[in-house]
Order: sequence, then structure tokens, then C-alpha cells
Amino acid sequence: GAVVSQHPSRVICKSGTSVKIECRSLDFQATTMFWYRQFPKKSLMLMATSNEGSKATYEQGVEKDKFLINHASLTLSTLTVTSAHPEDSSFYICSARDIGSAGVSLNEQFFGPGTRLTVL
Amino acid sequence: GENVEQHPSTLSVQEGDSAVIKCTYSDSASNYFPWYKQELGKGPQLIIDIRSNVGEKKDQRIAVTLNKTAKHFSLHITETQPEDSAVYFCAASDFSGGYNKLIFGAGTRLAVHP
Repeated sequence: GAVVSQHPSRVICKSGTSVKIECRSLDFQATTMFWYRQFPKKSLMLMATSNEGSKATYEQGVEKDKFLINHASLTLSTLTVTSAHPEDSSFYICSARDIGSAGVSLNEQFFGPGTRLTVL
Repeated sequence: GENVEQHPSTLSVQEGDSAVIKCTYSDSASNYFPWYKQELGKGPQLIIDIRSNVGEKKDQRIAVTLNKTAKHFSLHITETQPEDSAVYFCAASDFSGGYNKLIFGAGTRLAVHP
């Protein structure tokens, strides 16, 4: 149980194009999903918290117009990197928090396998 | 907000030895402390977690201890195996800003040598 998938696993795009990354909770419902960015040999940096049916909450310094987040259902959140540039190249990881059997959000976050974005 | 420090940054042990990774946190309101294992090119995998109402938790070769007074928690891996080699991250819950999120330590790169 508690499986989170991401698609695509790897993407290469040209500078100026937009890239969409999907995050799905496969066997549980998640009212909250998180998007992280990770640079080589570094820790996870939280970019934004995605709440189903409402606007995402962005961390300080993260451009919301550049990193568009949509959480349209309890099992799917998407991150769109708009007008990508080489400095956006990174490993993007999502996580999902289980809503819990009693309808109360638990603390556990389950992570997807990550998406490696390379912008040429 | 919460701040998490993790030590050491790298750890090298011989197979069969024990490994200990330590983390400290700053916010006394934090009540959830997970540990994640990340292998190269993959997402983090939750390996064990502990809540503030518990002092110790064990799962086979892995244990976590929590000292709320000192605001530190540790991961203990016994009888290490080469497949334990990975980067380990600790995290603490952060309730600042009105919602719950995790703050991660910088990570520990564990190498287990046969």
C-alpha cells in the first residue's frame, strides 16, 4: 500500500517550453500533496503544498507563476514548469499524505520516484 | 519555523557494524519525526517514524529514539548490510504558517563496506 507514482520519470526539453509532471496516489486518497525540488547531493526543498480543490501554498522564494500546481482530485496533482530554462533542471519529487481511514489526515508522507528534468 | 540539523553528513562502516545518525530540531511543537532512505535516482522511502508521545521505536534492525527535552532524535541501524548503503534523511513536522509540512535534515550518506 501507500504507492505514489510520478510521470514522466525523465524529461528533456528545450528552453522556453513548458513541462507537466503528474503525481498520483495509487491506492489511497490524498487531500494534500507536496512538491519538492532536489539538487545533486542536497536535501529536499519544499516548493509548495497542493491541496485538493484549492490553491496551492508556495514556499517563500518559489515563483507561483513559473511552477503551476493543480490538484484536481484526491489522487492527482500536477506540476507545470512554465517557460523552462536550464536553471530549472533538477530532480522534482512529489509526496502525498494519506487522508486516513477515519477521514483525518495522518502525518505520513509517501514519496513518488521523482522526475528528472533537463532543460537544454 | 522548524529547523533540523543532521549529523554526520557521511558515514562509512564495515558490514555487520552499527550505524547511528543524529538529528536535532528547534521547534518544541513538532510531534512527528520520520526517517527516509533514498537510493540514487529514486524518491525517498519511509523506513521508520516516531511520534512525540513515544521515546523509542524498533523495527527489526532499525530503531529510532527521541529525546523531547533535548530536542534530538536518532536512527540506529544494527548489523548493517551493503544494501543499507544510501542517503538517509531525518525530518520533523512543522506547523508554522497554519498547515502541516515536513522539514528535512541535510542528509547522511551511509556507505557499508563488505
